[in-house]
Amino acid sequence: QITLKESGPTLVKPTQTLTLTCTFSGFSLTTSGVGVGWIRQPPGKALEWLALIFWDDDKRYSPSLKSRLTITKDTSKNQVVLTMTDMDPVDTATYYCAHRPTGYGYFDYWGQGALVTVSS
Amino acid sequence: DIQMTQSPSSLSASVGDRVTITCQASQDISYYLNWYQQKPGKAPELLIYDGSNLETGVPSSFSGSGSGTDFTFTISSLQPEDIATYYCQQYDEFPLTFGGGTKVEIK
Repeated sequence: QITLKESGPTLVKPTQTLTLTCTFSGFSLTTSGVGVGWIRQPPGKALEWLALIFWDDDKRYSPSLKSRLTITKDTSKNQVVLTMTDMDPVDTATYYCAHRPTGYGYFDYWGQGALVTVSS
Repeated sequence: DIQMTQSPSSLSASVGDRVTITCQASQDISYYLNWYQQKPGKAPELLIYDGSNLETGVPSSFSGSGSGTDFTFTISSLQPEDIATYYCQQYDEFPLTFGGGTKVEIK
């Protein structure tokens, strides 16, 4: 059974760096083709894809946020970490991590989400 | 970036009604289109992948069709538990992009 869970601060100040950790089980990020992505959703708004890391360490980013994002993986801990620099109140959102299976373009398992508020 | 335009943004229908949502891509994405359901306060759940394939365990009352730039998502008979917001998502190329969502309510 695949599960994912996001963890990190619930409140960050403007200009600070956000670090979110996705801890997963039920699959390995060493399996060919597998990926883990991050998607966020501001309150009352639509989903926005942020980043995706593949089993072979290939990384893809949203162009509009690429300069602020870094995605890494620790396969020994079954974790994926997303950092976002220079946080702003508009970055207030629920942040989800999700599993992307081999050979497909969808996210079939999602974490419960982590609400991050950016405020001074 | 490929823009995904969903319509309508919201709809109200009666129990048992047939509900149709459309998603239009700004360029040809072949069949590389997925549909998700998101209930309030919950994470999205995959319903349809590759345009028309029903995810395992998803009721057959849900269906998807289309290719190229125009896609349709249908609920054949709306039930109270289908109240949610529905999103399309393309994966033809990066960046992955989602539609703006369609909120479905009961009349």
